[in-house]
Amino acid sequence: NAGVMQNPRHLVRRRGQEARLRCSPMKGHSHVYWYRQLPEEGLKFMVYLQKENIIDESGMPKERFSAEFPKEGPSILRIQQVVRGDSAAYFCASSPRPADSNQPQHFGDGTRLSIL
Amino acid sequence: QKEVEQNSGPLSVPEGAIASLNCTYSDRGSQSFFWYRQYSGKSPELIMFIYSNGDKEDGRFTAQLNKASQYVSLLIRDSQPSDSATYLCAVRGTGFQKLVFGTGTRLLVSP
Repeated sequence: NAGVMQNPRHLVRRRGQEARLRCSPMKGHSHVYWYRQLPEEGLKFMVYLQKENIIDESGMPKERFSAEFPKEGPSILRIQQVVRGDSAAYFCASSPRPADSNQPQHFGDGTRLSIL
Repeated sequence: QKEVEQNSGPLSVPEGAIASLNCTYSDRGSQSFFWYRQYSGKSPELIMFIYSNGDKEDGRFTAQLNKASQYVSLLIRDSQPSDSATYLCAVRGTGFQKLVFGTGTRLLVSP
Protein backbone atom coordinates (compact mmCIF):
# COMPACT_ATOMS: atom_id res chain seq x y z
CA ASN A 1 0.00 0.00 0.00
CA ALA A 2 1.68 3.18 -1.18
CA GLY A 3 -0.76 5.54 0.53
CA VAL A 4 -0.42 7.57 3.69
CA MET A 5 -0.47 5.15 6.60
CA GLN A 6 -1.82 6.13 9.98
CA ASN A 7 -2.05 4.07 13.11
CA PRO A 8 -3.81 3.25 15.19
CA ARG A 9 -7.14 3.69 13.42
CA HIS A 10 -8.93 4.00 16.73
CA LEU A 11 -7.45 5.01 20.05
CA VAL A 12 -9.19 5.18 23.39
CA ARG A 13 -7.61 6.97 26.31
CA ARG A 14 -8.71 8.04 29.74
CA ARG A 15 -8.41 11.64 30.82
CA GLY A 16 -4.85 12.43 31.86
CA GLN A 17 -3.21 9.74 29.74
CA GLU A 18 -0.97 10.30 26.75
CA ALA A 19 -1.96 9.68 23.15
CA ARG A 20 0.54 8.94 20.40
CA LEU A 21 -0.59 9.03 16.80
CA ARG A 22 1.64 7.83 13.99
CA CYS A 23 1.84 8.74 10.34
CA SER A 24 3.99 7.34 7.55
CA PRO A 25 3.82 9.50 4.40
CA MET A 26 3.39 8.19 0.89
CA LYS A 27 6.52 6.79 -0.67
CA GLY A 28 8.62 9.62 -2.00
CA HIS A 29 6.85 12.25 0.11
CA SER A 30 8.86 14.15 2.69
CA HIS A 31 6.27 16.72 3.77
CA VAL A 32 3.77 15.80 6.46
CA TYR A 33 0.77 17.75 7.69
CA TRP A 34 -1.51 17.04 10.62
CA TYR A 35 -5.14 18.14 10.72
CA ARG A 36 -7.84 17.71 13.33
CA GLN A 37 -11.53 17.29 12.63
CA LEU A 38 -13.93 17.79 15.49
CA PRO A 39 -17.42 16.27 15.17
CA GLU A 40 -19.54 18.10 12.58
CA GLU A 41 -16.69 20.50 11.79
CA GLY A 42 -14.19 20.96 8.99
CA LEU A 43 -10.55 20.02 9.12
CA LYS A 44 -8.27 22.39 11.00
CA PHE A 45 -4.57 22.60 10.26
CA MET A 46 -2.30 21.79 13.17
CA VAL A 47 1.30 21.43 12.05
CA TYR A 48 3.51 21.03 8.97
CA LEU A 49 6.75 19.10 9.19
CA GLN A 50 9.61 18.02 7.02
CA LYS A 51 12.19 15.47 8.11
CA GLU A 52 13.66 16.68 11.44
CA ASN A 53 12.06 20.11 11.05
CA ILE A 54 8.86 21.74 12.17
CA ILE A 55 8.02 24.25 9.44
CA ASP A 56 4.69 25.64 10.62
CA GLU A 57 3.03 24.86 13.94
CA SER A 58 0.63 27.77 13.93
CA GLY A 59 -2.37 25.47 14.41
CA MET A 60 -1.03 23.55 17.37
CA PRO A 61 -2.50 24.22 20.81
CA LYS A 62 0.10 25.90 23.00
CA GLU A 63 0.12 23.19 25.64
CA ARG A 64 0.08 19.39 25.72
CA PHE A 65 0.49 18.94 21.95
CA SER A 66 3.75 18.21 20.16
CA ALA A 67 4.80 16.75 16.85
CA GLU A 68 7.95 15.34 15.35
CA PHE A 69 9.12 13.80 12.12
CA PRO A 70 12.45 12.11 12.78
CA LYS A 71 15.04 11.20 10.20
CA GLU A 72 13.96 7.59 10.48
CA GLY A 73 10.45 6.39 11.19
CA PRO A 74 6.99 7.89 11.10
CA SER A 75 5.80 11.29 12.14
CA ILE A 76 4.36 11.32 15.66
CA LEU A 77 1.63 13.57 17.03
CA ARG A 78 1.74 13.42 20.80
CA ILE A 79 -0.98 14.64 23.12
CA GLN A 80 -0.15 14.70 26.80
CA GLN A 81 -2.69 14.67 29.63
CA VAL A 82 -5.62 14.25 27.28
CA VAL A 83 -8.96 15.86 28.01
CA ARG A 84 -12.42 15.11 26.63
CA GLY A 85 -12.15 18.01 24.21
CA ASP A 86 -9.28 16.22 22.46
CA SER A 87 -11.74 13.63 21.13
CA ALA A 88 -11.61 14.04 17.36
CA ALA A 89 -10.39 12.51 14.13
CA TYR A 90 -6.75 13.30 13.47
CA PHE A 91 -5.69 13.16 9.85
CA CYS A 92 -2.23 13.13 8.40
CA ALA A 93 -1.49 14.23 4.85
CA SER A 94 1.66 14.19 2.79
CA SER A 95 2.98 15.83 -0.34
CA PRO A 96 6.10 15.28 -2.42
CA ARG A 97 9.24 17.34 -2.75
CA PRO A 98 9.93 19.96 -3.85
CA ALA A 99 7.68 22.06 -1.67
CA ASP A 100 5.33 23.52 -4.22
CA SER A 101 2.17 25.29 -3.29
CA ASN A 102 0.34 23.54 -6.13
CA GLN A 103 1.04 20.02 -4.94
CA PRO A 104 -2.12 18.38 -3.61
CA GLN A 105 -2.05 16.74 -0.24
CA HIS A 106 -3.11 13.13 0.11
CA PHE A 107 -4.73 12.03 3.34
CA GLY A 108 -4.42 8.94 5.42
CA ASP A 109 -7.40 7.14 6.91
CA GLY A 110 -7.07 9.03 10.16
CA THR A 111 -6.96 8.13 13.84
CA ARG A 112 -10.19 8.43 15.78
CA LEU A 113 -9.29 9.44 19.29
CA SER A 114 -11.85 8.94 22.02
CA ILE A 115 -11.30 10.21 25.54
CA LEU A 116 -13.23 8.52 28.34
CA GLN B 1 -15.62 36.27 8.51
CA LYS B 2 -14.53 32.68 7.98
CA GLU B 3 -11.55 32.19 5.71
CA VAL B 4 -13.33 29.60 3.58
CA GLU B 5 -17.11 29.46 3.51
CA GLN B 6 -19.42 26.78 2.26
CA ASN B 7 -23.13 26.24 2.63
CA SER B 8 -23.48 23.29 4.99
CA GLY B 9 -26.51 21.92 3.15
CA PRO B 10 -27.77 19.35 2.75
CA LEU B 11 -27.99 19.92 -0.97
CA SER B 12 -30.51 17.45 -2.34
CA VAL B 13 -30.55 16.55 -6.05
CA PRO B 14 -32.20 13.72 -7.93
CA GLU B 15 -30.13 11.06 -9.62
CA GLY B 16 -28.91 12.21 -13.01
CA ALA B 17 -29.09 15.92 -12.19
CA ILE B 18 -26.23 18.39 -11.93
CA ALA B 19 -25.06 19.18 -8.41
CA SER B 20 -23.46 22.59 -7.92
CA LEU B 21 -21.30 23.14 -4.86
CA ASN B 22 -19.98 26.58 -4.03
CA CYS B 23 -17.16 28.00 -1.94
CA THR B 24 -15.92 31.52 -1.23
CA TYR B 25 -12.62 32.49 0.35
CA SER B 26 -11.31 35.63 1.97
CA ASP B 27 -7.56 35.59 1.23
CA ARG B 28 -6.97 37.28 -2.13
CA GLY B 29 -3.47 35.85 -2.21
CA SER B 30 -4.74 32.29 -2.34
CA GLN B 31 -3.09 30.34 -5.11
CA SER B 32 -4.49 26.85 -5.26
CA PHE B 33 -7.89 25.35 -4.61
CA PHE B 34 -8.93 21.82 -3.87
CA TRP B 35 -12.12 19.84 -3.60
CA TYR B 36 -12.19 16.80 -1.37
CA ARG B 37 -14.98 14.30 -0.91
CA GLN B 38 -15.50 12.79 2.52
CA TYR B 39 -17.84 9.93 3.27
CA SER B 40 -19.08 9.65 6.82
CA GLY B 41 -16.37 8.26 9.07
CA LYS B 42 -13.83 8.20 6.27
CA SER B 43 -10.86 10.32 5.24
CA PRO B 44 -10.95 13.17 2.70
CA GLU B 45 -10.40 12.01 -0.87
CA LEU B 46 -9.04 14.46 -3.44
CA ILE B 47 -11.52 15.05 -6.27
CA MET B 48 -10.21 18.07 -8.14
CA PHE B 49 -7.70 20.87 -7.88
CA ILE B 50 -7.52 24.11 -9.82
CA TYR B 51 -5.03 26.98 -9.93
CA SER B 52 -6.08 29.18 -12.84
CA ASN B 53 -9.22 31.15 -13.52
CA GLY B 54 -11.76 29.30 -15.59
CA ASP B 55 -12.97 25.75 -15.76
CA LYS B 56 -11.22 22.45 -15.32
CA GLU B 57 -13.00 19.24 -16.24
CA ASP B 58 -12.30 15.68 -15.17
CA GLY B 59 -14.94 13.13 -16.07
CA ARG B 60 -18.22 14.09 -14.44
CA PHE B 61 -16.54 16.77 -12.35
CA THR B 62 -15.88 20.40 -13.31
CA ALA B 63 -14.11 22.85 -11.05
CA GLN B 64 -14.62 26.55 -11.70
CA LEU B 65 -12.44 29.33 -10.32
CA ASN B 66 -13.02 33.08 -10.32
CA LYS B 67 -10.23 34.79 -8.41
CA ALA B 68 -11.70 38.27 -8.88
CA SER B 69 -14.85 37.15 -7.08
CA GLN B 70 -12.92 34.85 -4.74
CA TYR B 71 -15.21 32.05 -5.68
CA VAL B 72 -14.64 28.41 -6.54
CA SER B 73 -17.25 25.84 -7.41
CA LEU B 74 -17.59 22.16 -8.18
CA LEU B 75 -20.14 20.81 -10.63
CA ILE B 76 -21.05 17.15 -10.64
CA ARG B 77 -22.86 16.02 -13.75
CA ASP B 78 -25.10 12.96 -13.90
CA SER B 79 -25.14 12.76 -10.10
CA GLN B 80 -25.26 9.27 -8.65
CA PRO B 81 -26.39 8.10 -5.20
CA SER B 82 -22.77 7.10 -4.59
CA ASP B 83 -21.86 10.80 -4.86
CA SER B 84 -23.74 11.39 -1.60
CA ALA B 85 -21.04 12.67 0.75
CA THR B 86 -19.67 15.84 2.27
CA TYR B 87 -17.63 17.95 -0.13
CA LEU B 88 -14.84 19.99 1.40
CA CYS B 89 -13.39 23.06 -0.26
CA ALA B 90 -9.75 23.75 0.66
CA VAL B 91 -7.60 26.76 -0.16
CA ARG B 92 -3.86 27.33 0.00
CA GLY B 93 -2.25 30.75 -0.01
CA THR B 94 1.04 32.04 -1.35
CA GLY B 95 4.09 30.75 0.44
CA PHE B 96 2.07 28.65 2.82
CA GLN B 97 1.71 24.92 2.69
CA LYS B 98 -1.25 24.45 4.97
CA LEU B 99 -4.74 23.97 3.60
CA VAL B 100 -7.60 25.99 4.99
CA PHE B 101 -10.83 24.03 4.81
CA GLY B 102 -14.43 25.05 4.72
CA THR B 103 -16.85 23.14 6.91
CA GLY B 104 -18.15 21.22 3.91
CA THR B 105 -21.39 20.86 2.00
CA ARG B 106 -23.38 17.69 2.47
CA LEU B 107 -24.72 16.38 -0.84
CA LEU B 108 -27.63 13.93 -0.99
CA VAL B 109 -28.41 12.30 -4.33
CA SER B 110 -31.75 10.51 -4.30
CA PRO B 111 -32.43 7.54 -6.62
